[in-house]
Amino acid sequence: AQRVTQPEKLLSVFKGAPVELKCNYSYSGSPELFWYVQYSRQRLQLLLRHISRESIKGFTADLNKGETSFHLKKPFAQEEDSAMYYCALSGPGNQFYFGTGTSLTVIP
Amino acid sequence: EADIYQTPRYLVIGTGKKITLECSQTMGHDKMYWYQQDPGMELHLIHYSYGVNSTEKGDLSSESTVSRIRTEHFPLTLESARPSHTSQYLCATGSSGNTIYFGEGSWLTVV
Repeated sequence: AQRVTQPEKLLSVFKGAPVELKCNYSYSGSPELFWYVQYSRQRLQLLLRHISRESIKGFTADLNKGETSFHLKKPFAQEEDSAMYYCALSGPGNQFYFGTGTSLTVIP
Repeated sequence: EADIYQTPRYLVIGTGKKITLECSQTMGHDKMYWYQQDPGMELHLIHYSYGVNSTEKGDLSSESTVSRIRTEHFPLTLESARPSHTSQYLCATGSSGNTIYFGEGSWLTVV
């Protein structure tokens, strides 16, 4: 069963514009949600997790249990934000389930 | 420095060959995972381990096997490689804080 959905495979925004990467999930319990990022030629790395409620590199994500969403947002996109972004959910037994990813391109 | 090491990084082998992808970690983590990822596609969990002598299959049916004899080491073996096994294989470790960390990946091409 699809547990994490990222509806956009590709997303392009202009530098300085706001960006929102969508993530929806399906899970019966209390999920732990994460955003991972993969920059060109680098390994997949943690960007942020919902329980930390922190802002990393200007990105924030709020868990909305009513809409079962965990969208990633940044008010002003930068060129260095161009990367592949994966939403992930931690389920029973600490198994991680990943979405299909969104490739973000920030246009100068 | 604490890290996750995967070897080989790139490998081209013939159909029917046996291959072992190595993963070792100095993170001090008990949990280890293997994911399979085709380019631009989602990650699929194929195996995981919560500690020594503990291994489980993930959601994606896989013809590979794993072992966990030492905490630091979690090798993945394909007894007879096929072209359908061509993919990227990612090793990851998990901390008690419920976050996972990835290695750089091993790209396997079966011809």
